[in-house]
Amino acid sequence: AQSVAQPEDQVNVAEGNPLTVKCTYSVSGNPYLFWYVQYPNRGLQFLLKYITGDNLVKGSYGFEAEFNKSQTSFHLKKPSALVSDSALYFCAVRDKTGANNLFFGTGTRLTVIP
Amino acid sequence: DGGITQSPKYLFRKEGQNVTLSCEQNLNHDAMYWYRQDPGQGLRLIYYSQIVNDFQKGDIAEGYSVSREKKESFPLTVTSAQKNPTAFYLCASSSGTSNTEAFFGQGTRLTVV
Repeated sequence: AQSVAQPEDQVNVAEGNPLTVKCTYSVSGNPYLFWYVQYPNRGLQFLLKYITGDNLVKGSYGFEAEFNKSQTSFHLKKPSALVSDSALYFCAVRDKTGANNLFFGTGTRLTVIP
Repeated sequence: DGGITQSPKYLFRKEGQNVTLSCEQNLNHDAMYWYRQDPGQGLRLIYYSQIVNDFQKGDIAEGYSVSREKKESFPLTVTSAQKNPTAFYLCASSSGTSNTEAFFGQGTRLTVV
């Protein structure tokens, strides 16, 4: 079965500091991994994805994520956090069987403190 | 302006009443999905459709029904059989290939009164 885990419900970081939001996955075969962000009472916005190639993936709003096959991780990172980055972040893995669905983690709430 | 539109944004349902949530996309996507979001539980899949006139149950389909008569539309009906319908409902679409991201609507917040 395919799944992702986000071990931290809440992450707090000071504005200007680097941020990391953690994600680990469990899949058979090579994973297709995604990060989304959700602002209050809004839908999910796509940030970035890893399909193949370079382990460091760059995405929207200055975010990047590092794919680590040996640690089965796909952590989201940003070198310098902004207050406006405060939101709920979801990691997801694609089911590459016929259903082709996305399986989501439980989300991590990021708070950037001014 | 392409995208995926959900309506209404807020919906109130009385006990024992069926309600239908609308989801329309103009992205020419084959696949569409309905998710339910509850605090601390992430997103759970209710139903999905890979092609017109075909749909499949997800993890929490009980008390819900869908139709896919047109490629652009995937309405979700929350029936009176759904015992705890208060939640935030998200519709998504994707091209159907596994290496592409899904696009989400802005969500509908359903409250039972």
